[in-house]
Amino acid sequence: EADIYQTPRYLVIGTGKKITLECSQTMGHDKMYWYQQDPGMELHLIHYSYGVNSTEKGDLSSESTVSRIRTEHFPLTLESARPSHTSQYLCASSALYQGGSPLHFGNGTRLTVT
Amino acid sequence: GNSVTQMEGPVTLSEEAFLTINCTYTATGYPSLFWYVQYPGEGLQLLLKATKADDKGSNKGFEATYRKETTSFHLEKGSVQVSDSAVYFCALSDHYGGSQGNLIFGKGTKLSVKP
Repeated sequence: EADIYQTPRYLVIGTGKKITLECSQTMGHDKMYWYQQDPGMELHLIHYSYGVNSTEKGDLSSESTVSRIRTEHFPLTLESARPSHTSQYLCASSALYQGGSPLHFGNGTRLTVT
Repeated sequence: GNSVTQMEGPVTLSEEAFLTINCTYTATGYPSLFWYVQYPGEGLQLLLKATKADDKGSNKGFEATYRKETTSFHLEKGSVQVSDSAVYFCALSDHYGGSQGNLIFGKGTKLSVKP
């Protein structure tokens, strides 16, 4: 049973629409992440958070935004979707600073912008 | 900066063949090292980890040894099964700088095992 949940699993949406990808975890983890995975499988960190009211930009510049109002919830928003946003988005969480805490991943949201 | 390099795929093997996926890293200090696996249609799962030099991580018949002298963490399995078909990612944990604890991933190696 997954401890980190992403919805929706698949989303097809038109250009210019606003979308929010949901991510929730039940493990009480402080740290959460969003990764973008390209068709070649490579992972790019786009956002992360150390806890409530903390958000940081990752290694890959992204037009998306995130918020962290509750520990368990880390939604990602695109104000105006474009075809270049078509990708798989993976959410993950981990404990904070425990000598290399492993990440727990959700099953991803596959976004297609037409 | 810190980085991970893993062998490019795809790798295609017959069932019961021996598997090696090479992974080398560049890092400041003493990172923790990980292998993750991604089955089709799913997110990544932790396969094994090692936190210090000479540690051996193992799980589901897979093994990897943290070799500081060669900066390597190669993944091995003695006899692969069709169910091992997946994408495998090597990663290290960055303990320093402003992004403490963030994982740095390799580009992934796709493994296909044929019956």
